[in-house]
Amino acid sequence: AQTVTQSQPEMSVQEAETVTLSCTYDTSESDYYLFWYKQPPSRQMILVIRQEAYKQQNATENRFSVNFQKAAKSFSLKISDSQLGDAAMYFCAQYSGGGADGLTFGKGTHLIIQP
Amino acid sequence: DTEVTQTPKHLVMGMTNKKSLKCEQHMGHRAMYWYKQKAKKPPELMFVYSYEKLSINESVPSRFSPECPNSSLLNLHLHALQPEDSALYLCASSQVRVLGTDTQYFGPGTRLTVL
Repeated sequence: AQTVTQSQPEMSVQEAETVTLSCTYDTSESDYYLFWYKQPPSRQMILVIRQEAYKQQNATENRFSVNFQKAAKSFSLKISDSQLGDAAMYFCAQYSGGGADGLTFGKGTHLIIQP
Repeated sequence: DTEVTQTPKHLVMGMTNKKSLKCEQHMGHRAMYWYKQKAKKPPELMFVYSYEKLSINESVPSRFSPECPNSSLLNLHLHALQPEDSALYLCASSQVRVLGTDTQYFGPGTRLTVL
């Protein structure tokens, strides 16, 4: 079974600063996708960014970027110019295995933005 | 349009009641998912439907009964639930172009309370 580990239960950052959330994963697949989802207090799961493992280039979406280290099985999320609206739970996720399969999530990191 | 809708938003039911949760998407996705999320925990996969056929059942108790009447609709029928089944129930959908890779889009969830 795939495992996803987020070792930071909570992170705090000043508004406009940069913060990095860590994630490590374990998979036996050769080709796979990784995801970061955000869950604000409304509890709607929102896709932040995704990374295809076969791509060497790190994915970016506006202020969000990843540092994907395939050999180390590491997939961290960097949020630049943090905004109050970024406050949420952030989950790292990957598919549980081949096929139309469900996602396995890490335990999540609660991100607090200090004004 | 990346919208997945879920009804109802909130549901309170007794242990002897029968109720249903509904999920709908109009993105042409052919995979649909049910997840259960307890407070301060990550979502956990319950069921996966691929092309309207149940492809994954994660050993969920029989008091939960999924149904996929067509490619746009997913139901979760509830019967004789226990108080520990109180949780947020999330529906998601994805395309199935390349299995195990497509982004899942989540609905806002149904917050279920079992008395």
